[in-house]
Amino acid sequence: SQQGEEDPQALSIQEGENATMNCSYKTSINNLQWYRQNSGRGLVHLILIRSNEREKHSGRLRVTLDTSKKSSSLLITASRAADTASYFCAPLNNNAGNMLTFGGGTRLMVKP
Amino acid sequence: EAQVTQNPRYLITVTGKKLTVTCSQNMNHEYMSWYRQDPGLGLRQIYYSMNVEVTDKGDVPEGYKVSRKEKRNFPLILESPSPNQTSLYFCASALKAVNNEQFFGPGTRLTVL
Repeated sequence: SQQGEEDPQALSIQEGENATMNCSYKTSINNLQWYRQNSGRGLVHLILIRSNEREKHSGRLRVTLDTSKKSSSLLITASRAADTASYFCAPLNNNAGNMLTFGGGTRLMVKP
Repeated sequence: EAQVTQNPRYLITVTGKKLTVTCSQNMNHEYMSWYRQDPGLGLRQIYYSMNVEVTDKGDVPEGYKVSRKEKRNFPLILESPSPNQTSLYFCASALKAVNNEQFFGPGTRLTVL
């Protein structure tokens, strides 16, 4: 099954700084989604970028997609303590059958 | 309020005692799925359902059963739980199986002694 691999595994920054997380995957995709998970809680969808898109914005979030490199990045600008969470990417191939699978995620800590 | 609900939220049980974790969504979603989350292993898909009466195995289906008799419900059944099924379980749903975001339930923390 298709699975995204996030990098780094953990990231610690100061409030106000930008946070960049990367995702790599192995096969072709139809879209790629990013999710956030606060400790012990369910995942929350952040943004979806389609395979024919290169960049997408949503508030303080900026996602890029490079299908030639099979990679994506999530940038959180002007981070806040409330952004502290784990972030997961989920590449999706509509022909893959079992839909989204998630890697280990990036654990982001934003220090006030 | 549109949501995915799971019950129970916490459960401690013993090896071999059958249990069911319920999942319900009120968004008329076709697609539903179960995941387990374990430290260092991320989220792994157990079973998924494209629609009523259609279920398929995910990456780690062994030891689990599911059913999809109604659109809104997708229970996860552990016929004979074992300690290696101790985990955090999430149910999720999506409008359709393709190109849609998934909505996750709050999670069920299961401990099998």
